[in-house]
Amino acid sequence: QQQVKQSPQSLIVQKGGISIINCAYENTAFDYFPWYQQFPGKGPALLIAIRPDVSEKKEGRFTISFNKSAKQFSLHIMDSQPGDSATYFCAAMEGETSGSRLTFGEGTQLTVNP
Amino acid sequence: DGGITQSPKYLFRKEGQNVTLSCEQNLNHDAMYWYRQDPGQGLRLIYYSQIVNDFQKGDIAEGYSVSREKKESFPLTVTSAQKNPTAFYLCASSINWEAYGYTFGSGTRLTVV
Repeated sequence: QQQVKQSPQSLIVQKGGISIINCAYENTAFDYFPWYQQFPGKGPALLIAIRPDVSEKKEGRFTISFNKSAKQFSLHIMDSQPGDSATYFCAAMEGETSGSRLTFGEGTQLTVNP
Repeated sequence: DGGITQSPKYLFRKEGQNVTLSCEQNLNHDAMYWYRQDPGQGLRLIYYSQIVNDFQKGDIAEGYSVSREKKESFPLTVTSAQKNPTAFYLCASSINWEAYGYTFGSGTRLTVV
């Protein structure tokens, strides 16, 4: 079962534009929502994460928006740069009751054109 | 530098053979994980281990086996029972099983020839 749905599958933006990637989840017990960035041939690296007690978290050009009632969260990349071209994964984790198992979305391949 | 080392980076296997992927970490993390990555399917959990000498099946454990004899090592064996083993395999670790931050290795790309 796919507990975290991610869209779009691929995204092309121009340099300086805003990249937006969306995720939706089903399990209301999820209480941690990270985003990972992966470059070709490398493992994912944690980019930014949010807990459901806040609606937004910003780190530099990266912002997570979280809508608990809609069970949706999104990643916004402001002033997108060619170096941001990578695959982005959203993920979700339930708390101690089931251990720290991350459930990942399908991934979004972002291309930022110069 | 602390981190996770996966080896080899590329691995070729003949059909019917077992192969073992190595994962070593020097982060002193208790929990370790194996994920499989296929295009368009995200990362799927194969096995995970919360402490030494203990491990649990993930969502797609069939055809795989693991061991956790040492804290720093969590090798994954892809057996001949795995019907479609060609994929990118990622190992990760976290401080403990209640911790939220994962550190990933650089992956091993396995191809069946």
